Amino acid sequence: GAVVSQHPSWVICKSGTSVKIECRSLDFQATTMFWYRQFPKQSLMLMATSNEGSKATYEQGVEKDKFLINHASLTLSTLTVTSAHPEDSSFYICSARDPGSSSEAFFGQGTRLTVV
Amino acid sequence: AQSVTQLDSQVPVFEEAPVELRCNYSSSVSVYLFWYVQYPNQGLQLLLKYLSGSTLVKGINGFEAEFNKSQTSFHLRKPSVHISDTAEYFCAVTHFTGGFKTIFGAGTRLFVKA
Repeated sequence: GAVVSQHPSWVICKSGTSVKIECRSLDFQATTMFWYRQFPKQSLMLMATSNEGSKATYEQGVEKDKFLINHASLTLSTLTVTSAHPEDSSFYICSARDPGSSSEAFFGQGTRLTVV
Repeated sequence: AQSVTQLDSQVPVFEEAPVELRCNYSSSVSVYLFWYVQYPNQGLQLLLKYLSGSTLVKGINGFEAEFNKSQTSFHLRKPSVHISDTAEYFCAVTHFTGGFKTIFGAGTRLFVKA
């Protein structure tokens, strides 16, 4: 299957700083990428859908000014958590859709964000 | 509204016993169906998927699932579990419309006891 790489796998940052998480499709071009958030012992909640070259579409209740998403190329989407606070600590997972593979989405390995 | 329901939040089972993890979905359009496993502090690992064709799907680690369109179900089964199968299992549905979003169920914690 196709490979999606997420970086970093974990990050610790101070309150008030911003953190950028990268999601790359390594062997296919992803016109659409998705960002999820997972709180401890909970399911994955879709945060936003990013389409290459256009603005991301955010799910209800997700602050777009807080979670900045950029999808500037067909192989890279970034999620920036701005002015992070301890309540933003979570597991963030991206997925990328491969149009050439029955439109199945492939998931990155996730990023554990801890804000102290 | 489209949704995914995993009927059991926790399933305790003895080693070498069979197990079934239940998943129902609601959708007015065609879907792809997936089961993922997540071990503590790790990402998702795809167990199996249904895209089209045969409704009985075999995956990794001895798991299988059956797509039942009339009952809108996609239950996961394994005839004999191992201690190492202890993990969180997520059922997920990708809808053909709305940008092919993948929605996850709440998860089922499988706990295999010796």
